Amino acid sequence: DAMVIQNPRYQVTQFGKPVTLSCSQTLNHNVMYWYQQKSSQAPKLLFHYYDKDFNNEADTPDNFQSRRPNTSFCFLDIRSPGLGDAAMYLCATSSRWGTLSTDTQYFGPGTRLTVL
Amino acid sequence: AQSVTQLDSQVPVFEEAPVELRCNYSSSVSVYLFWYVQYPNQGLQLLLKYLSGSTLVKGINGFEAEFNKSQTSFHLRKPSVHISDTAEYFCAVSEDTGNQFYFGTGTSLTVIP
Repeated sequence: DAMVIQNPRYQVTQFGKPVTLSCSQTLNHNVMYWYQQKSSQAPKLLFHYYDKDFNNEADTPDNFQSRRPNTSFCFLDIRSPGLGDAAMYLCATSSRWGTLSTDTQYFGPGTRLTVL
Repeated sequence: AQSVTQLDSQVPVFEEAPVELRCNYSSSVSVYLFWYVQYPNQGLQLLLKYLSGSTLVKGINGFEAEFNKSQTSFHLRKPSVHISDTAEYFCAVSEDTGNQFYFGTGTSLTVIP
């Protein structure tokens, strides 16, 4: 009864080769988030969707893009991965009752990206 | 922007002993506070959160945390830990005025039999 699913769990790509990470949810939540977590660091929010409304964090590099074709799915595209993009990528969802500040987020298990 | 500090990167503790994981944040504006746990190879799971009201918050698995506004802290406690509590614990803070979550770098709790 997985609620937030991320595929693949492990992804290896080559320097500069585009890669897409996938997230799906069975919770019917209207908000979906993508975080980047590097080793021994805090998760860092890259962007989030409120329904189809895309919200990019100011310091998210242009190299990172996202798509949300429907409520259930959200994709993270890295157009030209660099060595510094190797990290764990976490997807999360929430059901927005108040502001994002108070919502509980439900996380997937993450995708670990390795860049060769 | 907020800064969230988890001073202890690793905490080893014997089974059935009490534990406290520390979390401090930087801002004095209205904040909401969360503790998440991450078991090996799993996503983050909410343990508890403070939004308003009583400063002592009880969560799942016997954990509790106390919000101390004057010390800008939200320390997590459990009176008696189990082997199954071995995991990574993250403190997170959000501001009343914003939509951003700020995570700490995590504390790795290892329960020793």
